[in-house]
Amino acid sequence: DTGVSQDPRHKITKRGQNVTFRCDPISEHNRLYWYRQTLGQGPEFLTYFQNEAQLEKSRLLSDRFSAERPKGSFSTLEIQRTEQGDSAMYLCALGGVYGELFFGEGSRLTVL
Amino acid sequence: DQQVKQNSPSLSVQEGRISILNCDYTNSMFDYFLWYKKYPAEGPTFLISISSIKDKNEDGRFTVFLNKSAKHLSLHIVPSQPGDSAVYFCAASEYPGGGADGLTFGKGTHLIIQP
Repeated sequence: DTGVSQDPRHKITKRGQNVTFRCDPISEHNRLYWYRQTLGQGPEFLTYFQNEAQLEKSRLLSDRFSAERPKGSFSTLEIQRTEQGDSAMYLCALGGVYGELFFGEGSRLTVL
Repeated sequence: DQQVKQNSPSLSVQEGRISILNCDYTNSMFDYFLWYKKYPAEGPTFLISISSIKDKNEDGRFTVFLNKSAKHLSLHIVPSQPGDSAVYFCAASEYPGGGADGLTFGKGTHLIIQP
């Protein structure tokens, strides 16, 4: 149990549709990250929240992507007008005391 | 430009023997290094870490070695067990306490433990 729940685990959608992923930390954590992993690659940083403030965004996060963390608890990642290139595993992670990240099981997106 | 490189996409080792996974990095600002293990359809699991002030850290069967001058680290697993079969990711950060950029990951090495 990593302390992070992600939903849905798998989403299949048609190109052009919008999708939203949710990340629920089991306990309070100040630092929350979103990563994306495609086949044959390591996880790539997307965005970072310190409590409810989004402090960092990767250039990978195009304007079709938006992330929120209202009240500094759960977080959502929305992708608008999905493209086939968005197919990936979307991972939520919590920052540990020593800088390590604790990942959830991920949400796999398949765009047809 | 890959700042963290794992040049072996896969590695096959016999059960009971030592598994050695290698990782090179190019960013001299990296100060904190970690290894993660990933099974299919699951998120990566944190294994072990090392800060740049050390050259070795050990946790049970897992030992990480860091050579800062060579910008190289390795993960040793002794003895290797069938449950160790997974993809292993090397990761690095400039900030031991955790920074806004999170971690930079390599592409991973698929370790296969042969019975």
